[in-house]
Amino acid sequence: GAVVSQHPSRVICKSGTSVKIECRSLDFQATTMFWYRQFPKQSLMLMATSNEGSKATYEQGVEKDKFLINHASLTLSTLTVTSAHPEDSSFYICSAREGTGSDTQYFGPGTRLTVL
Amino acid sequence: QKEVEQDPGPLSVPEGAIVSLNCTYSNSAFQYFMWYRQYSRKGPELLMYTYSSGNKEDGRFTAQVDKSSKYISLFIRDSQPSDSATYLCATTSGGYNKLIFGAGTRLAVHP
Repeated sequence: GAVVSQHPSRVICKSGTSVKIECRSLDFQATTMFWYRQFPKQSLMLMATSNEGSKATYEQGVEKDKFLINHASLTLSTLTVTSAHPEDSSFYICSAREGTGSDTQYFGPGTRLTVL
Repeated sequence: QKEVEQDPGPLSVPEGAIVSLNCTYSNSAFQYFMWYRQYSRKGPELLMYTYSSGNKEDGRFTAQVDKSSKYISLFIRDSQPSDSATYLCATTSGGYNKLIFGAGTRLAVHP
C-alpha cells in the first residue's frame, strides 16, 4: 500500500518551454501533497505544500509564478515548470500524506528534469 | 543552526557490520521521527516511523529516539551491499506541519 507514482520519470526540454510533472497517489487519498527538489548529493528542499482544492503554499524563495501547482483531486497533483531555464534542471520529487491524522509522507520515484 | 543535523558521510563498512546512523535536532516540539532510505536517482522510501522517545525494531533495522538529548538513531544489523544508499532522518511536530529533513548520510556496504 501507500504507493505514489510520478510521470514522467525523465524529461529533457529546451530553454523557454514549460514542463508538467504529474504526481499520483495510487492506493490512497492524499489530502496533502508536497513538492521537493533535490540537487546532486544534497538533501530534499521543500518547494510547496498542496492541499486538494486550494492554492498551494510556497516556501520562501520559491517563485509561485514559475512553479505552478495544481491539486485538483485527492489522487493527483501537478507541478508545471514554466519557461524553464538550465538552472531549473534538478530532480523533482513529490510526496503525499495519507488522509488525516497522519504525519507520514510517501514519496514518488522522482522526475529528472534537464533543461538545455 | 540547522533544525536537524546529520553527518553526510560517506560511511563505508564491510558486509555484516552493524551500522549506526545518527541525527540531532534542536526543536523540542518535534514529536514524530522518520528514517528514509534513498537509492541513487530514486525517491526516498520510508523505513521507520516512531513517535516520541523509545525504540522500534523492524527486521535488521532499529530506530531509537532520545528526546531528552534530542538524538535519533538508526541501527542496521548484518549490513548488506543492498543497504548501500543515502539515509535521511526527518522529523515534524505534527499537526500537519512540514517534515524537516537532515542532510542525509551516504552509506556504502562493501562485500
